[in-house]
Amino acid sequence: AQTVTQSQPEMSVQEAETVTLSCTYDTSESDYYLFWYKQPPSRQMILVIRQEAYKQQNATENRFSVNFQKAAKSFSLKISDSQLGDAAMYFCAYRRQGAQKLVFGQGTRLTINP
Amino acid sequence: ETGVTQTPRHLVMGMTNKKSLKCEQHLGHNAMYWYKQSAKKPLELMFVYNFKEQTENNSVPSRFSPECPNSSHLFLHLHTLQPEDSALYLCASSQDPSGGISWSTDTQYFGPGTRLTVL
Repeated sequence: AQTVTQSQPEMSVQEAETVTLSCTYDTSESDYYLFWYKQPPSRQMILVIRQEAYKQQNATENRFSVNFQKAAKSFSLKISDSQLGDAAMYFCAYRRQGAQKLVFGQGTRLTINP
Repeated sequence: ETGVTQTPRHLVMGMTNKKSLKCEQHLGHNAMYWYKQSAKKPLELMFVYNFKEQTENNSVPSRFSPECPNSSHLFLHLHTLQPEDSALYLCASSQDPSGGISWSTDTQYFGPGTRLTVL
């Protein structure tokens, strides 16, 4: 069974600085997708970024980028120029190719210090 | 806003009550999902509906009964719940351009959730 592990329950960063959230996963599949979702206090789960496993290039979305290491089964999220609105729970998720089920990690609570 | 709405946002019910959660998606998607988010546990997929047909049930107790009358609406009927069922219930939807054949490109969009408390 696939599992997703986020080893950092909580992280904090100063506003305007950079922070990296860690995620590792376990799978025997070669084709899959990885996601980072953000859940602010409003509880709305919002997609931040996604990565296709067959792509070697790391995905980027404005201030958000990932470091995808397929061999190491690692998928970290880097947030540059952190803003107060980035404060939220961040969830890493995995989905096997051809499947609909998302497997989530336990989440990392990110605090932004002004 | 992600185009997925859920009502009510908060619900308190006794163990003998019957209530329903509602989800509506305005994105033209053809798949809908129910997830359960408990404290200190990862989100758990409960049910999947594709084109109104249930295609996945992850060993959910029968006291949770889903209903999908059309591709835009999803309900979760609750009866004789237990206190451990208290959680945030999230609805999601997704679209597959191939019409549900490959599910290779969909991204799931979530609603704001219903916070359920069972007394």
